[in-house]
Amino acid sequence: GNSVTQMEGPVTLSEEAFLTINCTYTATGYPSLFWYVQYPGEGLQLLLKATKADDKGSNKGFEATYRKETTSFHLEKGSVQVSDSAVYFCALRDSGNTPLVFGKGTRLSVIA
Amino acid sequence: NAGVTQTPKFRILKIGQSMTLQCTQDMNHNYMYWYRQDPGMGLKLIYYSVGAGITDKGEVPNGYNVSRSTTEDFPLRLELAAPSQTSVYFCASSHQPGGNYGYTFGSGTRLTVV
Repeated sequence: GNSVTQMEGPVTLSEEAFLTINCTYTATGYPSLFWYVQYPGEGLQLLLKATKADDKGSNKGFEATYRKETTSFHLEKGSVQVSDSAVYFCALRDSGNTPLVFGKGTRLSVIA
Repeated sequence: NAGVTQTPKFRILKIGQSMTLQCTQDMNHNYMYWYRQDPGMGLKLIYYSVGAGITDKGEVPNGYNVSRSTTEDFPLRLELAAPSQTSVYFCASSHQPGGNYGYTFGSGTRLTVV
């Protein structure tokens, strides 16, 4: 079946540090890939997405590239801010009516 | 603002009690979902619906029931609450299937069963 594996957290970084959160997936078809962000006390929000191999999704300084050869969709940001502190979820959606499959989430804390 | 609305935001139940978690969306989305979020475990799908009158089980459906009589509403029912159902519950909706669309999530219901 389809699955998503994220790096274990929590991740603690200083402001302006470089961020990478690893995400790899297993899928039977050609999925679309997503990153969602959950700020404290809130629901999940779509951060970025990529729908086919080699696509790059980007938003708010975050980016991720759909790598079919390594089945990966790592999230990166060049310079994190305190306001980026949140839980980040990698997810995939296969073809048809299948619901999103989420990773376990990675908690990021950015300190000033 | 358009979106997914969940009520209540917080609830404490005693073991054996029942309750309904409400979810409504005003975006005319056909697809709706219920997830539960346990600490360190990510989100697990409970039930989903691809349209009014159609529901299907997800990964963890035991102890829950759903109905979808309208496009807008997708309530989740707990009949006999158990401590294992202590969790944060999220409802989400989507415009259509396929890979181009993500979900819109509600802000969640935090349920404690004691």
